[in-house]
Amino acid sequence: DGGITQSPKYLFRKEGQNVTLSCEQNLNHDAMYWYRQDPGQGLRLIYYSQIVNDFQKGDIAEGYSVSREKKESFPLTVTSAQKNPTAFYLCASSRTSGSSYNEQFFGPGTRLTVL
Amino acid sequence: GQQVMQIPQYQHVQEGEDFTTYCNSSTTLSNIQWYKQRPGGHPVFLIQLVKSGEVKKQKRLTFQFGEAKKNSSLHITATQTTDVGTYFCAGGTGNNRKLIWGLGTSLAVNP
Repeated sequence: DGGITQSPKYLFRKEGQNVTLSCEQNLNHDAMYWYRQDPGQGLRLIYYSQIVNDFQKGDIAEGYSVSREKKESFPLTVTSAQKNPTAFYLCASSRTSGSSYNEQFFGPGTRLTVL
Repeated sequence: GQQVMQIPQYQHVQEGEDFTTYCNSSTTLSNIQWYKQRPGGHPVFLIQLVKSGEVKKQKRLTFQFGEAKKNSSLHITATQTTDVGTYFCAGGTGNNRKLIWGLGTSLAVNP
């Protein structure tokens, strides 16, 4: 059964702690993305990766870090430097074929609450 | 910076009425994608438009891409309660695979 998994679904952390969100895909996609969604704000891109061992900052990368050591995995760390980390975090992946865009497949998301 | 504006932000309709959401970009887009997110869920891809003036239909949904490739619309005919959710447009502007997302239109349907 192919798809994207994110864990956990709900996560609670104390202020000042780093937390890592998991994202795994078995779709054999080269590109992976992390988005943050706040009420009424749509999707904002945090980081994206088009190939293993390479990633680029999105529009709101400050306070976040990522790694892409394996094609299947793209974990996101929310650091204590992120001012307002409470949000819904979505991971996505897509094929890469030449210069064309491809549909993005999303995971179920992780709701992070920082107390 | 590059932006995709989406209107309206919210729409409340009676079941059976039609619904339209519009996206407008400040720059020419290479393509536009539409996604639907059900309440509590994640975005799901609906369609991609690439050609100038392109029109595509999926049952009661009609998608259009403007001639100048700067605007797009999604029209739903005779809404049903299953259409409830937030509809997002997302445009591509180059080959870096980074989409620019609209803020979405939330659709509520009264049975």
